[in-house]
Amino acid sequence: QQQVKQSPQSLIVQKGGISIINCAYENTAFDYFPWYQQFPGKGPALLIAIRPDVSEKKEGRFTISFNKSAKQFSLHIMDSQPGDSATYFCAASIAFNKFYFGSGTKLNVKP
Amino acid sequence: GAVVSQHPSWVICKSGTSVKIECRSLDFQATTMFWYRQFPKQSLMLMATSNEGSKATYEQGVEKDKFLINHASLTLSTLTVTSAHPEDSSFYICSARAEAGKSSYNEQFFGPGTRLTVL
Repeated sequence: QQQVKQSPQSLIVQKGGISIINCAYENTAFDYFPWYQQFPGKGPALLIAIRPDVSEKKEGRFTISFNKSAKQFSLHIMDSQPGDSATYFCAASIAFNKFYFGSGTKLNVKP
Repeated sequence: GAVVSQHPSWVICKSGTSVKIECRSLDFQATTMFWYRQFPKQSLMLMATSNEGSKATYEQGVEKDKFLINHASLTLSTLTVTSAHPEDSSFYICSARAEAGKSSYNEQFFGPGTRLTVL
């Protein structure tokens, strides 16, 4: 049973465009929602994270939108760049004890 | 800060041999480390939670006797794949949870991963 569902599986965006990746969860006990960026052959790196008491968090070109009632959260990458091309994973955690990862989205930003 | 290293970065071994992978938190102490397995183009699958000074907690379906985890110090956890077989070939990633006193308290920091190929 997949705790966190992520879409789309892959995404192609033109340079300068907006990349949007969505995740949904069922367990209302989740209290921490991070996004990770992973390049081929490397471990994931934390990009941005949000708590359920906040509806939006922005860090530079990256924004998380969180909809608690819909149990959904999304990552928006503004002004997407070729260097952003990577695989992105959403995750959810209860008190940081265990992290459940989405299936990943492979982003390709065309120059 | 919050750097996690893994060694080796890749290893090739013969079927039936054992392989040890090290995970180190370089600039912080981590009482809890996690071990993940990742198949090509797939998500991370949590294998076990490693707690310093105690036995690891394994996820359902993960063989304890095959994947031995030792967390002997606050900066080192090891994963030993015993009697490795080709189906154990995968990308193994560890993470360490930052402890109190750091601004990133409780966040997971991932190592760069270890590519294991069993011939």
